Amino acid sequence: NAGVMQNPRHLVRRRGQEARLRCSPMKGHSHVYWYRQLPEEGLKFMVYLQKENIIDESGMPKERFSAEFPKEGPSILRIQQVVRGDSAAYFCASSPEGQGVNQPQHFGDGTRLSIL
Amino acid sequence: GESVGLHLPTLSVQEGDNSIINCAYSNSASDYFIWYKQESGKGPQFIIDIRSNMDKRQGQRVTVLLNKTVKHLSLQIAATQPGDSAVYFCAENLSIQGAQKLVFGQGTRLTINP
Repeated sequence: NAGVMQNPRHLVRRRGQEARLRCSPMKGHSHVYWYRQLPEEGLKFMVYLQKENIIDESGMPKERFSAEFPKEGPSILRIQQVVRGDSAAYFCASSPEGQGVNQPQHFGDGTRLSIL
Repeated sequence: GESVGLHLPTLSVQEGDNSIINCAYSNSASDYFIWYKQESGKGPQFIIDIRSNMDKRQGQRVTVLLNKTVKHLSLQIAATQPGDSAVYFCAENLSIQGAQKLVFGQGTRLTINP
């Protein structure tokens, strides 16, 4: 009964490096969402993808951040030239095919990104 | 604006008592709401959801109430147990032109006193 799988669980990068966060949705799910969480705060929406398409990226910074969900393989959230302010927990969620509206999103356990 | 807020950031209850966690939302067009539980070091875990055509929904030991008139949501946990200790978030699902996203509140930390 595999849920949403994220890796790595912890990632440490130095300023200026690149961070790649991976997310495999639940089996049968083709909608993927990325959220960011700072300590003691709620999750903030970043981007919503379906297979090979970005549906809504309104919560994602215009520069340095990108996301993809290829036909084969996991969804990737990529942060280039990381800065200290990128330190956060990044969560991925998924929901089923054909039921995108009003279906609960199921979350992975996140990647905790630390920037030195 | 898009915002979902909680009235109390922390809640402490005695084991065995009932817990009530409140949430206010601002988007009157929202038609779907979810409560999540988040334990330390983990992702949000789905607890219960409710659609706007309902005002109450019950699960196992949990009940969600929706008052659309005042845009208020609450989560009731019966006979609170130590395992219920966590941060609880309400989330409002915004659907715009086929795209959807969750807007989370800040969260309420629930602690259980023995």
